[in-house]
Amino acid sequence: GENVEQHPSTLSVQEGDSAVIKCTYSDSASNYFPWYKQELGKRPQLIIDIRSNVGEKKDQRIAVTLNKTAKHFSLHITETQPEDSAVYFCAASKDNNDMRFGAGTRLTVKP
Amino acid sequence: EAGVAQSPRYKIIEKRQSVAFWCNPISGHATLYWYQQILGQGPKLLIQFQNNGVVDDSQLPKDRFSAERLKGVDSTLKIQPAKLEDSAVYLCASSVPGTGRHTIYFGEGSWLTVV
Repeated sequence: GENVEQHPSTLSVQEGDSAVIKCTYSDSASNYFPWYKQELGKRPQLIIDIRSNVGEKKDQRIAVTLNKTAKHFSLHITETQPEDSAVYFCAASKDNNDMRFGAGTRLTVKP
Repeated sequence: EAGVAQSPRYKIIEKRQSVAFWCNPISGHATLYWYQQILGQGPKLLIQFQNNGVVDDSQLPKDRFSAERLKGVDSTLKIQPAKLEDSAVYLCASSVPGTGRHTIYFGEGSWLTVV
């Protein structure tokens, strides 16, 4: 099955700085790559996703890039705010089947 | 639109006891997932249903875990007998199957503590 690796496991930035989280995947058949944000004690919530026919996608302060050849994808958050503090998970799947998650990155944004 | 409903939210049991969790997906979502999330880790897929058929259960510990979705709507996940390492949040999720519409929506989770 798919194997997703995510790093760093923790990331601390100053408010206003950018944050980058990287993931790699193993199955070249994977074609869907979502990112989820999980606040303490809450459910994971989708913040952005990308399909394999697109190299980059942006939504306001967040963007995701995908390199299919290298089998890695990244989450970029610009102008970070304290409310961005949470655990972020990447995931990979073929359509919606067998979606595998990374281990998570705990992002702390210091005011 | 109502979200994914799960119950109970919290459960504490002793090892070797049994427990069952219930999930009702978003109306119209044919695909239903059960994930196990141990504290500090990412969600791990236990089982995926499409309607009432199993799509993937390769990571389900079948000697103690079972799940069913008899009528293709709500689902039950059972653990019997429970072990200490089963302490986790059990997340149910649902989605619309097929290409082009991939968003997986999670429920609030059922928190299990095995003592």
